[in-house]
Amino acid sequence: GAVVSQHPSRVICKSGTSVKIECRSLDFQATTMFWYRQFPKQSLMLMATSNEGSKATYEQGVEKDKFLINHASLTLSTLTVTSAHPEDSSFYICSARDRHGSYEQYFGPGTRLTVT
Amino acid sequence: GENVEQHPSTLSVQEGDSAVIKCTYSDSASNYFPWYKQELGKRPQLIIDIRSNVGEKKDQRIAVTLNKTAKHFSLHITETQPEDSAVYFCAASRGTGGFKTIFGAGTRLFVKA
Repeated sequence: GAVVSQHPSRVICKSGTSVKIECRSLDFQATTMFWYRQFPKQSLMLMATSNEGSKATYEQGVEKDKFLINHASLTLSTLTVTSAHPEDSSFYICSARDRHGSYEQYFGPGTRLTVT
Repeated sequence: GENVEQHPSTLSVQEGDSAVIKCTYSDSASNYFPWYKQELGKRPQLIIDIRSNVGEKKDQRIAVTLNKTAKHFSLHITETQPEDSAVYFCAASRGTGGFKTIFGAGTRLFVKA
């Protein structure tokens, strides 16, 4: 149980375009989902916390107008990178907590974004 | 702000030896401490976790200790094997006042056969 999927797994886009990444909890309901960014050989950096039905909470330094997060249901959160630039190229990973579960987070497989 | 420091950044051991990774956290409200193993290009995998009401926990070759007073926690891997080679991250979370997880910088573990 406790599976989180992410789509797409890899995406290449041109500068100035927008990219949407989906994060789904497949077999549980997630009131809270998290979005992380990981640059090569670095740690996971929390970008924002997404709560179902409410606005996301962004970490300091993360532009909310550039990284749009929508958590429309208990099983789906989306991250849209708007007007992407090469410096946005990174590994984006989501995670989710089971609303009925413990503190454990379940991670998605990640999305490799390359902006050319 | 909240911070988690992790040492060492790189650790190389001989197969069969033990490996120890140490972390320090700053947020005294943290009450959940997971450890993750991440292979290149993959998602982090939870390998063991500990709550703040417990001092240590063991699962086969892996053990974690927690010193709440000093805000230190450590990962111990015994009888290391080449397949243990990966990047390990410690993390500290608080379950109240808004769940949030802060990750350490990671330790790249090499186990030499």
